[in-house]
Amino acid sequence: DAGVTQSPTHLIKTRGQHVTLRCSPISGHKSVSWYQQVLGQGPQFIFQYYEKEERGRGNFPDRFSARQFPNYSSELNVNALLLGDSALYLCASSQNIDNTGELFFGEGSRLTVL
Amino acid sequence: AQSVTQLDSHVSVSEGTPVLLRCNYSSSYSPSLFWYVQHPNKGLQLLLKYTSAATLVKGINGFEAEFKKSETSFHLTKPSAHMSDAAEYFCVVSASGGSYIPTFGRGTSLIVHP
Repeated sequence: DAGVTQSPTHLIKTRGQHVTLRCSPISGHKSVSWYQQVLGQGPQFIFQYYEKEERGRGNFPDRFSARQFPNYSSELNVNALLLGDSALYLCASSQNIDNTGELFFGEGSRLTVL
Repeated sequence: AQSVTQLDSHVSVSEGTPVLLRCNYSSSYSPSLFWYVQHPNKGLQLLLKYTSAATLVKGINGFEAEFKKSETSFHLTKPSAHMSDAAEYFCVVSASGGSYIPTFGRGTSLIVHP
């Protein structure tokens, strides 16, 4: 079975630009979460979507947005990029909404903002 | 509110010697606790989880962790380190009664010397 897939794997943007990151969950998983991992730190929660509805939001500015599609895939959008947005963006899928079960992570999209 | 403190940013061991990675947590509710491992340029993989069953939890690859409520700790151990254990390890808390948003520690880098 395919795991969580993310695209693109690497990308370079300049300040002020916009970026869209994509995630396909494991088949049958209805929950998708997004995390930002800055170099040298642990992942920080950005969003969780379950059954196409936002179920949780971390402490990130409104420049960050996301959505989940009927096939449970998801997009993370970041507007007006800042240098500090440079990070590894991880997507995780799970069966449960309550995050007491295992999270299955993709390999991430590495964003560099110049 | 919840938080996780990984007490060591780096742990260095020789192959064949025991491993101890320390994690303390705080939570206003009954927590679910996890350890994830991240190899270079890879996504995170679940090692083990505690969700209010047995306090000694066994995971993959010979790792185990003990939940100690009185000490608010969830330390990760392995009797004998292998070179392939070299990676970044993250302790995670996700608490019931709240929004179940997982909180990750900053990570501990395990270095294994031959």
